[in-house]
Amino acid sequence: QVQLKESGPGVVKPSETLSLTCFVSGFPVNSGYFWGWIRQPPGKGLEWIGSIFHSGTTYYNPSLASRVALSIDTSKNQFSLRLTSATAADTAVYYCARTLGGSAANPFLFWGLGAPVAVST
Amino acid sequence: DIQMTQSPSSLSTSVGDRVTITCRASQDISNYIAWYQQKPGKVPKLLIYLATTLQSGVPSRFSGSRSGTDFTLTISSLQPEDVATYYCQNYNSPPITFGQGTRLEIK
Repeated sequence: QVQLKESGPGVVKPSETLSLTCFVSGFPVNSGYFWGWIRQPPGKGLEWIGSIFHSGTTYYNPSLASRVALSIDTSKNQFSLRLTSATAADTAVYYCARTLGGSAANPFLFWGLGAPVAVST
Repeated sequence: DIQMTQSPSSLSTSVGDRVTITCRASQDISNYIAWYQQKPGKVPKLLIYLATTLQSGVPSRFSGSRSGTDFTLTISSLQPEDVATYYCQNYNSPPITFGQGTRLEIK
């Protein structure tokens, strides 16, 4: 059974870098699926941040692409998100997820429980 | 980017009623749409993908359909446990985009 768990600081100061890691268990991250990040601001809808393949292929939301970087560590079975120059608008619950199928053109089937991140002084 | 216009934004209806939620894509996305259910305080759950395919374990009262760039999620007979917010998702190709969500309540 695929399990994902996000880990992060909880609070980030404005202008600093928001970093999150998704720890994956029960399934190897190099097994041919895409791994993604999705966020949800308080009381609002879902926003896709980006997706990564074990080869390093990445796709980013154009609205965030200048500030986002995804990486994957197959030896530790985890993948990570870095979002630079954080502002209050980045306050959200951040979810990591795995796709249903092996291409980027797939919905997300497995989700982590989410990590709340507040950007605040 | 492909925009997904979801309607209505909220809905209040009775147990046993038929519920319809619609998403319109701003351009052709073939059948690459998924529907998710998010109960309050919970993680989104995949209900339907490829417009009409029911994810394993999802009750058969949920169904999806397509007409051109208009997509519909239908609950044939609303149950109390269906109270949630529902989102459509375009995954035709990156960037992936979500609809704004439909909040479903019981009268």
